[in-house]
Amino acid sequence: DAGVTQSPTHLIKTRGQQVTLRCSPKSGHDTVSWYQQALGQGPQFIFQYYEEEERQRGNFPDRFSGHQFPNYSSELNVNALLLGDSALYLCASSFGLGDTNHYEQYFGPGTRLTVT
Amino acid sequence: AQTVTQSQPEMSVQEAETVTLSCTYDTSESDYYLFWYKQPPSRQMILVIRQEAYKQQNATENRFSVNFQKAAKSFSLKISDSQLGDAAMYFCAYRSRVDDKIIFGKGTRLHILP
Repeated sequence: DAGVTQSPTHLIKTRGQQVTLRCSPKSGHDTVSWYQQALGQGPQFIFQYYEEEERQRGNFPDRFSGHQFPNYSSELNVNALLLGDSALYLCASSFGLGDTNHYEQYFGPGTRLTVT
Repeated sequence: AQTVTQSQPEMSVQEAETVTLSCTYDTSESDYYLFWYKQPPSRQMILVIRQEAYKQQNATENRFSVNFQKAAKSFSLKISDSQLGDAAMYFCAYRSRVDDKIIFGKGTRLHILP
Protein backbone atom coordinates (compact mmCIF):
# COMPACT_ATOMS: atom_id res chain seq x y z
CA ASP A 1 0.00 0.00 0.00
CA ALA A 2 1.71 3.15 -1.22
CA GLY A 3 1.68 6.06 1.15
CA VAL A 4 1.51 9.71 0.16
CA THR A 5 3.96 10.54 -2.59
CA GLN A 6 5.20 13.93 -3.71
CA SER A 7 7.23 15.15 -6.65
CA PRO A 8 9.72 16.51 -7.21
CA THR A 9 11.88 15.99 -4.11
CA HIS A 10 13.84 19.18 -4.61
CA LEU A 11 13.34 22.19 -6.82
CA ILE A 12 15.29 25.37 -7.43
CA LYS A 13 13.52 28.33 -9.02
CA THR A 14 14.29 31.97 -9.69
CA ARG A 15 12.34 34.83 -8.17
CA GLY A 16 9.34 35.70 -10.33
CA GLN A 17 8.98 32.23 -11.84
CA GLN A 18 6.08 29.85 -11.40
CA VAL A 19 6.23 26.36 -9.88
CA THR A 20 3.95 23.30 -9.74
CA LEU A 21 4.26 20.67 -7.03
CA ARG A 22 2.46 17.33 -7.19
CA CYS A 23 0.94 14.98 -4.64
CA SER A 24 -0.61 11.54 -4.83
CA PRO A 25 -2.69 10.60 -1.79
CA LYS A 26 -2.56 7.36 0.12
CA SER A 27 -4.72 4.63 -1.38
CA GLY A 28 -8.35 5.03 -0.26
CA HIS A 29 -7.97 8.71 0.65
CA ASP A 30 -9.97 11.42 -1.11
CA THR A 31 -8.89 14.61 0.65
CA VAL A 32 -5.61 16.44 0.15
CA SER A 33 -4.22 19.25 2.28
CA TRP A 34 -1.11 21.31 1.58
CA TYR A 35 1.21 22.83 4.18
CA GLN A 36 4.21 25.16 3.97
CA GLN A 37 7.05 24.55 6.43
CA ALA A 38 9.64 27.31 6.57
CA LEU A 39 13.05 26.43 7.98
CA GLY A 40 12.89 25.98 11.75
CA GLN A 41 9.12 26.42 11.88
CA GLY A 42 6.08 24.20 12.14
CA PRO A 43 3.98 23.56 9.04
CA GLN A 44 1.34 26.13 8.12
CA PHE A 45 -1.91 25.18 6.41
CA ILE A 46 -2.24 26.48 2.84
CA PHE A 47 -5.48 24.87 1.60
CA GLN A 48 -7.45 21.66 1.32
CA TYR A 49 -9.08 19.94 -1.64
CA TYR A 50 -12.02 17.57 -1.59
CA GLU A 51 -14.19 16.49 -4.52
CA GLU A 52 -11.99 18.59 -6.81
CA GLU A 53 -12.85 21.81 -4.96
CA GLU A 54 -10.94 24.01 -2.56
CA ARG A 55 -12.78 23.56 0.74
CA GLN A 56 -10.64 25.50 3.17
CA ARG A 57 -7.88 28.02 2.85
CA GLY A 58 -5.27 29.33 5.24
CA ASN A 59 -3.76 32.79 5.29
CA PHE A 60 -1.90 32.59 1.98
CA PRO A 61 -2.11 35.01 -0.97
CA ASP A 62 -3.81 34.21 -4.27
CA ARG A 63 -0.41 33.46 -5.78
CA PHE A 64 -0.92 30.06 -4.18
CA SER A 65 -3.48 28.00 -6.05
CA GLY A 66 -4.24 24.35 -6.44
CA HIS A 67 -6.14 21.68 -8.21
CA GLN A 68 -7.45 18.22 -7.47
CA PHE A 69 -7.97 15.64 -10.18
CA PRO A 70 -10.66 12.93 -10.42
CA ASN A 71 -8.13 10.35 -9.17
CA TYR A 72 -7.73 12.52 -6.01
CA SER A 73 -4.16 13.57 -6.80
CA SER A 74 -3.42 17.23 -6.37
CA GLU A 75 -1.19 20.05 -7.56
CA LEU A 76 0.02 23.15 -5.76
CA ASN A 77 0.89 26.11 -7.98
CA VAL A 78 2.79 29.16 -6.84
CA ASN A 79 3.07 32.17 -9.17
CA ALA A 80 5.48 35.10 -9.06
CA LEU A 81 7.82 33.34 -6.65
CA LEU A 82 9.35 35.34 -3.83
CA LEU A 83 12.47 34.53 -1.84
CA GLY A 84 10.19 34.01 1.15
CA ASP A 85 8.44 31.13 -0.61
CA SER A 86 11.52 28.98 -0.03
CA ALA A 87 10.28 26.17 2.20
CA LEU A 88 9.39 22.52 2.50
CA TYR A 89 5.93 21.93 1.03
CA LEU A 90 4.08 19.04 2.61
CA CYS A 91 1.06 17.27 1.27
CA ALA A 92 -1.23 15.33 3.58
CA SER A 93 -4.07 13.01 2.64
CA SER A 94 -7.07 11.82 4.60
CA PHE A 95 -10.57 10.47 4.11
CA GLY A 96 -13.65 12.60 4.32
CA LEU A 97 -14.17 16.08 5.72
CA GLY A 98 -14.77 17.80 9.00
CA ASP A 99 -16.58 15.79 11.61
CA THR A 100 -16.73 12.77 9.33
CA ASN A 101 -12.95 12.77 9.17
CA HIS A 102 -12.01 10.67 12.14
CA TYR A 103 -8.76 9.59 10.68
CA GLU A 104 -5.32 11.06 10.85
CA GLN A 105 -3.76 12.98 8.03
CA TYR A 106 -0.92 11.03 6.44
CA PHE A 107 1.95 13.22 5.30
CA GLY A 108 4.20 12.86 2.31
CA PRO A 109 7.98 13.41 2.42
CA GLY A 110 7.63 16.92 1.04
CA THR A 111 9.13 18.98 -1.76
CA ARG A 112 11.98 21.30 -0.86
CA LEU A 113 11.60 24.51 -2.86
CA THR A 114 14.47 26.96 -3.01
CA VAL A 115 13.88 30.37 -4.61
CA THR A 116 17.02 32.29 -5.62
CA ALA B 1 -8.05 31.69 16.53
CA GLN B 2 -6.38 28.62 17.92
CA THR B 3 -2.69 28.69 18.79
CA VAL B 4 -0.18 26.05 19.84
CA THR B 5 2.92 26.91 21.84
CA GLN B 6 6.00 24.80 22.44
CA SER B 7 8.34 26.62 24.77
CA GLN B 8 11.30 24.24 24.53
CA PRO B 9 13.19 24.72 21.23
CA GLU B 10 15.64 21.93 22.08
CA MET B 11 15.97 19.15 24.63
CA SER B 12 18.47 16.39 25.30
CA VAL B 13 18.02 13.10 27.11
CA GLN B 14 20.29 10.19 27.87
CA GLU B 15 19.48 6.96 26.08
CA ALA B 16 17.09 4.75 28.13
CA GLU B 17 15.97 7.73 30.24
CA THR B 18 12.58 9.45 30.24
CA VAL B 19 11.90 12.88 28.78
CA THR B 20 8.82 15.11 28.73
CA LEU B 21 8.07 17.63 26.00
CA SER B 22 5.72 20.48 26.85
CA CYS B 23 2.91 22.01 24.85
CA THR B 24 0.17 24.51 25.60
CA TYR B 25 -2.65 25.58 23.34
CA ASP B 26 -5.42 28.09 23.22
CA THR B 27 -8.92 27.52 21.91
CA SER B 28 -12.50 28.46 22.66
CA GLU B 29 -13.78 25.13 21.40
CA SER B 30 -14.76 22.31 23.71
CA ASP B 31 -14.18 19.39 21.37
CA TYR B 32 -11.03 18.93 19.33
CA TYR B 33 -8.07 16.66 18.65
CA LEU B 34 -4.51 17.06 19.84
CA PHE B 35 -1.52 15.36 18.27
CA TRP B 36 2.18 14.86 18.63
CA TYR B 37 4.02 14.44 15.34
CA LYS B 38 7.62 13.37 14.87
CA GLN B 39 9.71 14.69 11.98
CA PRO B 40 13.08 12.95 11.59
CA PRO B 41 15.78 14.26 9.22
CA SER B 42 14.04 12.33 6.42
CA ARG B 43 11.33 15.06 6.72
CA GLN B 44 8.45 12.58 6.82
CA MET B 45 5.91 13.80 9.37
CA ILE B 46 4.85 10.79 11.45
CA LEU B 47 1.94 10.72 13.87
CA VAL B 48 3.16 9.63 17.31
CA ILE B 49 0.01 9.88 19.37
CA ARG B 50 -3.51 11.36 19.25
CA GLN B 51 -5.79 12.57 22.02
CA GLU B 52 -9.49 13.37 21.63
CA ALA B 53 -10.50 16.21 23.92
CA TYR B 54 -13.72 14.56 25.11
CA LYS B 55 -11.75 11.60 26.45
CA GLN B 56 -10.46 12.10 29.96
CA GLN B 57 -8.11 9.16 29.79
CA ASN B 58 -4.61 10.03 28.62
CA ALA B 59 -3.56 8.36 25.37
CA THR B 60 -0.70 5.85 25.37
CA GLU B 61 1.20 4.25 22.51
CA ASN B 62 3.93 1.89 23.68
CA ARG B 63 6.74 4.08 25.09
CA PHE B 64 4.84 7.30 24.33
CA SER B 65 2.18 8.76 26.61
CA VAL B 66 0.56 12.13 27.08
CA ASN B 67 -0.55 14.20 30.04
CA PHE B 68 -3.68 15.99 28.85
CA GLN B 69 -4.89 18.74 31.15
CA LYS B 70 -7.95 20.21 29.42
CA ALA B 71 -8.66 22.98 31.91
CA ALA B 72 -5.06 24.14 31.81
CA LYS B 73 -4.92 23.63 28.02
CA SER B 74 -1.74 21.63 28.41
CA PHE B 75 -0.69 18.57 26.42
CA SER B 76 2.73 17.14 27.21
CA LEU B 77 4.42 14.12 25.67
CA LYS B 78 6.41 11.64 27.76
CA ILE B 79 8.87 9.35 26.06
CA SER B 80 10.02 6.46 28.22
CA ASP B 81 13.16 4.37 27.65
CA SER B 82 14.44 6.84 25.04
CA GLN B 83 16.09 5.30 22.02
CA LEU B 84 18.52 6.74 19.47
CA GLY B 85 15.77 6.49 16.85
CA ASP B 86 13.65 8.91 18.85
CA ALA B 87 15.94 11.78 17.87
CA ALA B 88 13.83 14.12 15.76
CA MET B 89 11.82 17.30 15.70
CA TYR B 90 8.58 16.90 17.65
CA PHE B 91 5.53 19.01 16.84
CA CYS B 92 2.48 19.47 19.00
CA ALA B 93 -0.62 20.08 16.90
CA TYR B 94 -4.32 20.95 17.23
CA ARG B 95 -7.27 20.15 15.02
CA SER B 96 -10.82 21.28 15.45
CA ARG B 97 -13.44 18.56 15.25
CA VAL B 98 -15.19 20.27 12.33
CA ASP B 99 -12.22 21.88 10.65
CA ASP B 100 -9.56 19.80 8.95
CA LYS B 101 -6.63 22.15 9.09
CA ILE B 102 -3.97 21.20 11.60
CA ILE B 103 -2.32 23.97 13.59
CA PHE B 104 1.25 23.16 14.55
CA GLY B 105 3.56 24.52 17.20
CA LYS B 106 7.10 25.56 16.31
CA GLY B 107 8.55 22.26 17.41
CA THR B 108 11.04 20.86 19.91
CA ARG B 109 14.25 19.29 18.66
CA LEU B 110 15.02 16.20 20.74
CA HIS B 111 18.59 14.91 20.99
CA ILE B 112 19.29 11.43 22.37
CA LEU B 113 22.69 11.10 24.03
CA PRO B 114 24.28 7.63 23.83
